[in-house]
Amino acid sequence: QSVLTQPPSMSAAPGQKVTISCSGSSSNIGRNYISWYQQFPGTAPKVLIYENNKRFSGIPDRFSGSKSGTSATLGITGLQTGDEAEYYCGTWDTSLSLWVFGGGTKLTVL
Amino acid sequence: QVHLQESGPGLVRPSETLSLACDVSGYSISSGYYWGWIRQPPGRGLEWIATMYHSGNNYNNPSLRSRVSMSVDTSKNQFSLKLYSVTAADTAVYYCARQNLTINRGVMHSWFDVWGQGTLVTVSS
Repeated sequence: QSVLTQPPSMSAAPGQKVTISCSGSSSNIGRNYISWYQQFPGTAPKVLIYENNKRFSGIPDRFSGSKSGTSATLGITGLQTGDEAEYYCGTWDTSLSLWVFGGGTKLTVL
Repeated sequence: QVHLQESGPGLVRPSETLSLACDVSGYSISSGYYWGWIRQPPGRGLEWIATMYHSGNNYNNPSLRSRVSMSVDTSKNQFSLKLYSVTAADTAVYYCARQNLTINRGVMHSWFDVWGQGTLVTVSS
């Protein structure tokens, strides 16, 4: 069971918006900066968002990140079939002295 | 362009040592950044293993700490992972990655910005 909680799966239609949540605690999300990663099957993850809400180089502005208290959210607007992937949140947990990832959210674009 | 490439045996016997290397090109390890290892068991999520700075400052996953050794070789522009006494539970795709990491007033700013393609290591007799 992951320290960071994400919904296992989500689905939405092309063109729609989706928000993927990542819930943690005061020792991880509540204290440190969070990043988000996208992973296609059989490939390495790549960073989308870092320091809560900064888009990494080359990431379209359809992707956004936010944080409030002990939760964070990845938003994707104008969904495309190419956005079908697994999405992970990650941050440092100060109490556990451990970098933690969420369990991942499999996004399906119907 | 920074490129990371993992290398090592794809099959390791139970109780033996898993050894992987990550070759870095396009950036000098000694210039900065931290360097890390993450793994992903088949069909499962990501698990952080360890992170190290070229000067030796390092962080290890507490659940693996007694079995993990990480090193950096600046002369080869390479960093390595050793995982001792492996079991079938250590079967995974192992990724190396470059890690941005700073601590400001007790708050960690960190993310993995460049990843290797990953290498599957199977633990089996």
